[in-house]
Amino acid sequence: EIVLTQSPATLSLSPGERATLSCRASQTIINYLVWYQQKPGQAPRLLIYDASNRATGTPDRFSGSGSGTDFTLTISSLEPEDFAVYYCQQRSTWPPLTFGGGTTLEIK
Amino acid sequence: EVQLLESGGGLVQPGGSLRLSCEGSGFTFSNHAMNWVRQAPGKGLEWVSGITGNSLSTYYLDSVRGRFTVFRDNSKSTVFLQMNSLRAEDTAVYFCAKDIDWNEGAFDHWGQGTLVTVSS
Repeated sequence: EIVLTQSPATLSLSPGERATLSCRASQTIINYLVWYQQKPGQAPRLLIYDASNRATGTPDRFSGSGSGTDFTLTISSLEPEDFAVYYCQQRSTWPPLTFGGGTTLEIK
Repeated sequence: EVQLLESGGGLVQPGGSLRLSCEGSGFTFSNHAMNWVRQAPGKGLEWVSGITGNSLSTYYLDSVRGRFTVFRDNSKSTVFLQMNSLRAEDTAVYFCAKDIDWNEGAFDHWGQGTLVTVSS
């Protein structure tokens, strides 16, 4: 089973700042890395698939990068609606599909 | 507009059974794998099970294999999760999720979730 480790667990930033979220895989997953956003009481929302491809409707302030075992989600300038929990997920080797533990992006 | 509507959650005693349903609309249901992902209270996401559009392949998390069964009825655009021998650790919100394509393992639409509580 591929283990995904997200860091930091919590990130405290202000609107307008740049956010950098990390996801590390226990073995190479090539570029088969997906990012989701989840707000309280809501279902997750697909943001990025295959490491760097924005899903339909994802604002261009969100970008993904990385390959192999190390991946990054960057939000260039935080908007108030971006404060949420972010999960990475690998689809390289499954079952099982696995998720990281999440990064909570909170308002400073 | 793609919509996924789950139902069937509730309170059940340890060892009991529940069947979850998820009806899809707004897309060609039979062309997409469907999956179940759960989230225990205050915790992260955990993939549980998946099924391809033609039902020929099914997949399970090890901890639910043999207790849970995923199946679908494409004529009704509905996927099901039959959960038997439920345990306290199965308590979670269960989401159904639509695959982005035939069976890519990424999910572009999710239901609102249905809460399953296993407790005596």
